[in-house]
Amino acid sequence: EADIYQTPRYLVIGTGKKITLECSQTMGHDKMYWYQQDPGMELHLIHYSYGVNSTEKGDLSSESTVSRIRTEHFPLTLESARPSHTSQYLCASGNRGQTNEKLFFGSGTQLSVL
Amino acid sequence: KQEVTQIPAALSVPEGENLVLNCSFTDSAIYNLQWFRQDPGKGLTSLLLIQSSQREQTSGRLNASLDKSSGRSTLYIAASQPGDSATYLCAVRRSGGSNYKLTFGKGTLLTVNP
Repeated sequence: EADIYQTPRYLVIGTGKKITLECSQTMGHDKMYWYQQDPGMELHLIHYSYGVNSTEKGDLSSESTVSRIRTEHFPLTLESARPSHTSQYLCASGNRGQTNEKLFFGSGTQLSVL
Repeated sequence: KQEVTQIPAALSVPEGENLVLNCSFTDSAIYNLQWFRQDPGKGLTSLLLIQSSQREQTSGRLNASLDKSSGRSTLYIAASQPGDSATYLCAVRRSGGSNYKLTFGKGTLLTVNP
């Protein structure tokens, strides 16, 4: 059972609001990731981190930002939410080296921007 | 650019049947391939990870094979049960360059009918 938690599970907010999606893991993993997934579509990487104070943008352009001040915590922030940000956001962390890294996912945050 | 395709997009079978899910990828330069399960509105659970040097991996009623040269993987589920109903995704990790990245397929939605 993976120990990675995302809050909130569901969030409905109005346009223009600032929001932060929380992600925490208790497995001591250095690598953490944020993916975006629309219904019936592939997961797209939007941010990743290889450790404290290390963050990079992924393939999919995103207006969100992330921070990694502590190993276990990788929050994602939208300064001004828009309807186009409506999606499911999945956080993941990875163990071991790159060749056999297995990803563990949180339950996701379903975001709806009205 | 790596592309991952999963066929079929949806599959419905009666309980007890053996079934095969297919995954193909366009670039054979991969470190590994991973199969995930996703329940509705939830995150992903890793099922099997196959290294590029391996041909197959087994876990319980699941068996995953990898033919890297032809860019194909299959997930075999034996004696299917209603609890196996979920979306199954495959993802490949590229070798070299930006090997932090997993490229996901869109998944196969499996329904096992009692």
